[in-house]
Amino acid sequence: GQQLNQSPQSMFIQEGEDVSMNCTSSSIFNTWLWYKQDPGEGPVLLIALYKAGELTSNGRLTAQFGITRKDSFLNISASIPSDVGIYFCAGQIGTSYGKLTFGQGTILTVHP
Amino acid sequence: EPEVTQTPSHQVTQMGQEVILRCVPISNHLYFYWYRQILGQKVEFLVSFYNNEISEKSEIFDDQFSVERPDGSNFTLKIRSTKLEDSAMYFCASTRGEPLHFGNGTRLTVT
Repeated sequence: GQQLNQSPQSMFIQEGEDVSMNCTSSSIFNTWLWYKQDPGEGPVLLIALYKAGELTSNGRLTAQFGITRKDSFLNISASIPSDVGIYFCAGQIGTSYGKLTFGQGTILTVHP
Repeated sequence: EPEVTQTPSHQVTQMGQEVILRCVPISNHLYFYWYRQILGQKVEFLVSFYNNEISEKSEIFDDQFSVERPDGSNFTLKIRSTKLEDSAMYFCASTRGEPLHFGNGTRLTVT
């Protein structure tokens, strides 16, 4: 099956710093999604990307759909303590609607 | 904002027992899903359901598992004869065509 390689596995940063994480795959995806998961809760959608090259922002978050359709990155600017959590990328192949392949997750810790 | 709700939040069962995990998807959604997350690991697709039938399932979703939409609002996952390795968070999700909305999950512990 498809595999997504997400990096880094974890990040420890100071409040106010910018953060970048990415996902790569050997497979082509038609949709890239970025989710955040807080402890004991389900993944919450942050950004959805539908076209190769697309760059989309949601507040302090910016994500891009790679031109090759095999990668995506997420940037968080000016991090704050509530950004703490696990960030997952997820890819969807067009013929399998809603069947998402998730990355392993990036654990983000923000020190005040 | 409408939510996907799951009950119970935590289920403890003995190995070999059957469990039913329940979900109420968002009311106007048409596509329903179950995902699983073993502790510390990534979220994995189990099954998708549309128009009252399974549209796709993963290799994890074997004969031990079944799904049902018994009425107009509930969507259930049944696990027969549970095994220790079935211990995980189980997430229900739904959509009407946009990205998936996930519930907060049921933590299943098999002892």
